[in-house]
Amino acid sequence: GQQLNQSPQSMFIQEGEDVSMNCTSSSIFNTWLWYKQDPGEGPVLLIALYKAGELTSNGRLTAQFGITRKDSFLNISASIPSDVGIYFCAGTNQGGKLIFGQGTELSVKP
Amino acid sequence: GAGVSQTPSNKVTEKGKYVELRCDPISGHTALYWYRQSLGQGPEFLIYFQGTGAADDSGLPNDRFFAVRPEGSVSTLKIQRTERGDSAVYLCASSLGGEETQYFGPGTRLLVL
Repeated sequence: GQQLNQSPQSMFIQEGEDVSMNCTSSSIFNTWLWYKQDPGEGPVLLIALYKAGELTSNGRLTAQFGITRKDSFLNISASIPSDVGIYFCAGTNQGGKLIFGQGTELSVKP
Repeated sequence: GAGVSQTPSNKVTEKGKYVELRCDPISGHTALYWYRQSLGQGPEFLIYFQGTGAADDSGLPNDRFFAVRPEGSVSTLKIQRTERGDSAVYLCASSLGGEETQYFGPGTRLLVL
């Protein structure tokens, strides 16, 4: 099925470093979302973006909705060990169906 | 408050068998979604209910897959004649309305031998 292109696939960083990941699509989306998934759990929403060009922060997380509506990025500043997990971007144009990226697996070395 | 719950948490079955996966959404949420997540991939949409009716079932892979939500609350995903390729984590999510934030359950891990 349709998926977004998310990169990088994995990251292994030192605690305290900043992290950046992005997501691109061949189609436009009206809403971009970023989720985090821990092992054995379902995805948990981190940030939602509703307007092209929008920049939104949630604590150490910052995400932007690309002006073309075909991309988004997520930054995590000053990473800590509990940031470990898989991060997914998702796009939607209508109530209901979310289209997910393949995920970015983040590992943080203390 | 209680989140989305899914049962069973794990299911092992044999090729050709029938399985049912249950989802209990957050109380009061009118919208319910099913997704399938294969290893190393993001979730893939299967079906979306608004109340009792399926508003979008475009993600169901074939007619072996069927889902119901008869009273607008609990939903059951049914898979007939299971195949090894059906092995995946089946995630359920609910939202207050169709445009609202989706809250995911922990998933049911299905293994078809």
